[in-house]
Amino acid sequence: DAMVIQNPRYQVTQFGKPVTLSCSQTLNHNVMYWYQQKSSQAPKLLFHYYDKDFNNEADTPDNFQSRRPNTSFCFLDIRSPGLGDAAMYLCATSRGQGFDEQFFGPGTRLTVL
Amino acid sequence: RKEVEQDPGPFNVPEGATVAFNCTYSNSASQSFFWYRQDCRKEPKLLMSVYSSGNEDGRFTAQLNRASQYISLLIRDSKLSDSATYLCVVNPSNTGKLIFGQGTTLQVKP
Repeated sequence: DAMVIQNPRYQVTQFGKPVTLSCSQTLNHNVMYWYQQKSSQAPKLLFHYYDKDFNNEADTPDNFQSRRPNTSFCFLDIRSPGLGDAAMYLCATSRGQGFDEQFFGPGTRLTVL
Repeated sequence: RKEVEQDPGPFNVPEGATVAFNCTYSNSASQSFFWYRQDCRKEPKLLMSVYSSGNEDGRFTAQLNRASQYISLLIRDSKLSDSATYLCVVNPSNTGKLIFGQGTTLQVKP
């Protein structure tokens, strides 16, 4: 009965080789978020979708893109991964914006060689 | 100054102890507040929301002090399974963007 699913759980890529991380949800939530979390640091919001409305954080590098083809799915594309992009990538959802709790997926741990 | 600040710890306590974590936030207009728990190499999970009147859930009590802009989490009768990182989370406006603190690590020892 997983509610927020991320695939793959572990991803290894080479420096500069594009990679796509996947997130799906069964909660029918309107909002989907992508966070980057490095070791011993807080999760950092990269961007979020409110329905089809894309909201990019000002300090999110251009190297990171996202797609949300439908309510259930959201993708994170890293066009040219660098060593500094190695991190845990967390997808989260919420029913709406504002006060709603965010539900997190298990994360994808990205390694860049 | 960070938007949300926590003492990273670690807090090492024996089983049965009472432990308290504090968190301060910089934006006085912040709307909502949460404590999330994150186990090692796992995702954050909501522990409890924090309401102005304070709230309690079993051994866990959360308090909000808007005047001083801090949030606290009290854990009574600590269990080994309480060992985790506790993230203080603030929603500074009605946008859904959550600001996470660095987290406070708790290690409960037998």
